[in-house]
Amino acid sequence: DQQVKQNSPSLSVQEGRISILNCDYTNSMFDYFLWYKKYPAEGPTFLISISSIKDKNEDGRFTVFLNKSAKHLSLHIVPSQPGDSAVYFCAANGHGSSNTGKLIFGQGTTLQVKP
Amino acid sequence: NAGVTQTPKFQVLKTGQSMTLQCAQDMNHNSMYWYRQDPGMGLRLIYYSASEGTTDKGEVPNGYNVSRLNKREFSLRLESAAPSQTSVYFCASKRNSNQPQHFGDGTRLSIL
Repeated sequence: DQQVKQNSPSLSVQEGRISILNCDYTNSMFDYFLWYKKYPAEGPTFLISISSIKDKNEDGRFTVFLNKSAKHLSLHIVPSQPGDSAVYFCAANGHGSSNTGKLIFGQGTTLQVKP
Repeated sequence: NAGVTQTPKFQVLKTGQSMTLQCAQDMNHNSMYWYRQDPGMGLRLIYYSASEGTTDKGEVPNGYNVSRLNKREFSLRLESAAPSQTSVYFCASKRNSNQPQHFGDGTRLSIL
């Protein structure tokens, strides 16, 4: 039972254009969402997060949108750069675990930004 | 600033062998986590330690044990390795609630 889903295994965009990565979740009790970026042979690195009390959070080229009614979040990267090519994971804070930080991850989306 | 350090980086085991994966963090974080990453499945939580002296099971704990040796170190042990445990293992830590976890670079484990 996949509680956090990234339905697009891969995405390819042109340098300078917008990249939109999507994530859906099923548990309405999730209250904190994160995006991680992962390069090959490295660990995931934190990118941006959003609390369930907000619907948008922005950090430079990266913006995360949260639609609680649809149980959907998205990560927008604009403009996309070749260095953004990586695997992107969304993650959610598990129900009743705000104090332990247990995260549930999606399967990941591989982003390729073409020069 | 090393962050989260995992050793070894690579290991090949035979079925039935035992192995301990080491993890240490130098950020004075309270909570530590062990995940495994398999193709098409994202990261799944094996065990975690919310604070020094406590450990709890995650999604996929069977076949593993953990030890929170002190605040810095959190080890993962495979008592009798099985081919299904072939995976990339990541350790993570964080300071407190609603802060992001910081990950090590992983241990790539193959069990023949």
